[in-house]
Amino acid sequence: EDQVTQSPEALRLQEGESSSLNCSYTVSGLRGLFWYRQDPGKGPEFLFTLYSAGEEKEKERLKATLTKKESFLHITAPKPEDSATYLCAAHAGGTSYGKLTFGQGTILTVHP
Amino acid sequence: DAGVIQSPRHEVTEMGQEVTLRCKPISGHDYLFWYRQTMMRGLELLIYFNNNVPIDDSGMPEDRFSAKMPNASFSTLKIQPSEPRDSAVYFCASSERGNEQYFGPGTRLTVT
Repeated sequence: EDQVTQSPEALRLQEGESSSLNCSYTVSGLRGLFWYRQDPGKGPEFLFTLYSAGEEKEKERLKATLTKKESFLHITAPKPEDSATYLCAAHAGGTSYGKLTFGQGTILTVHP
Repeated sequence: DAGVIQSPRHEVTEMGQEVTLRCKPISGHDYLFWYRQTMMRGLELLIYFNNNVPIDDSGMPEDRFSAKMPNASFSTLKIQPSEPRDSAVYFCASSERGNEQYFGPGTRLTVT
């Protein structure tokens, strides 16, 4: 069974304090690893897709990386507006083509 | 594009009543997904469609739940009869060729 596990469940940072969120996945035939941001009361917002080990993508203070077993979302010099829940999801393909398996999310709080 | 559109945004109903949630996917997207999100269980996939055909409904909790997609621009999720444990935020998402999914703003359902 496909599984995605995120850690930590919650992370509290001071403004400017860089850190990383982890997403471990067990998926047969990974076709893509997705990161989303979700603000309270809103739907998840797409951030990145990673397709193969070694791939990296950046957007402002966020950088996502991928290995054969896990993905990291690095946050450099975060600001309070980066506070949100970050979700990762894996696309296994095959008979489940199109379906994403989501992790439980990491709640990030950045204090000024 | 206006993004994924969901209605209503909030629904409060009494136990035993029928509830219908509506979704308009992004034009040109061929996959449509219905999710339910709660604090306890996180984001759960209920059912998804490809080219208006249901592909996997294994996440539908029980026979009280049903979903239809009569055409490429409209889908409904119906709960009949509703129960208090159905209270959650329901999201609709769409994607093109099984790539990244774009989520709507959600419908917050409260069953009293």
